[in-house]
Amino acid sequence: GAGVSQTPSNKVTEKGKYVELRCDPISGHTALYWYRQSLGQGPEFLIYFQGTGAADDSGLPNDRFFAVRPEGSVSTLKIQRTERGDSAVYLCASSPLGRGSEAFFGQGTRLTVV
Amino acid sequence: KNEVEQSPQNLTAQEGEFITINCSYSVGISALHWLQQHPGGGIVSLFMLSSGKKKHGRLIATINIQEKHSSLHITASHPRDSAVYICAVRWEDYGQNFVFGPGTRLSVLP
Repeated sequence: GAGVSQTPSNKVTEKGKYVELRCDPISGHTALYWYRQSLGQGPEFLIYFQGTGAADDSGLPNDRFFAVRPEGSVSTLKIQRTERGDSAVYLCASSPLGRGSEAFFGQGTRLTVV
Repeated sequence: KNEVEQSPQNLTAQEGEFITINCSYSVGISALHWLQQHPGGGIVSLFMLSSGKKKHGRLIATINIQEKHSSLHITASHPRDSAVYICAVRWEDYGQNFVFGPGTRLSVLP
């Protein structure tokens, strides 16, 4: 596709369940970012991939959160034992590698934990 | 602490007014984005700046590297411009990650 695609667009899950959120970056973009935006706040960094490896995962809040990018393109954010506080919009962005390169954002996945 | 600040936090304008939203940051950056987020919607990148000024339609973005400040201007504002506008920076010495400002909520009334 032409842009960054995130699926699903909305996800409602029960507390304690496991969820996976998917991000399809723009083809050829080496860098991929995951952010989380809680209601009324700006996005917060979770993890950044450069190719297949997580170059910076310092934003992951705890060990229930994990993300992979096995082939350097599609990434999956995985949340185990979901809690109500995990409810947020999860945003993905991609960019070509290099300082000053423009980032492109997906539409986000709205996760609601009930 | 590396921070990104925006002002105002909330802004209400009448249709047709000229609007300015400000972003300031604390240390050197390699890039700055202005983003738009509609209620319930995803984020759209409006501009990426590393210096100077860019214009797209009724939107103008400027950046002053020395003063660590950027502005987003909207001319002839329209109700469809109502959204949250977010400034995001990539720090010069902090790799590729972006740090986001808190956003400015704009409401343009008809």
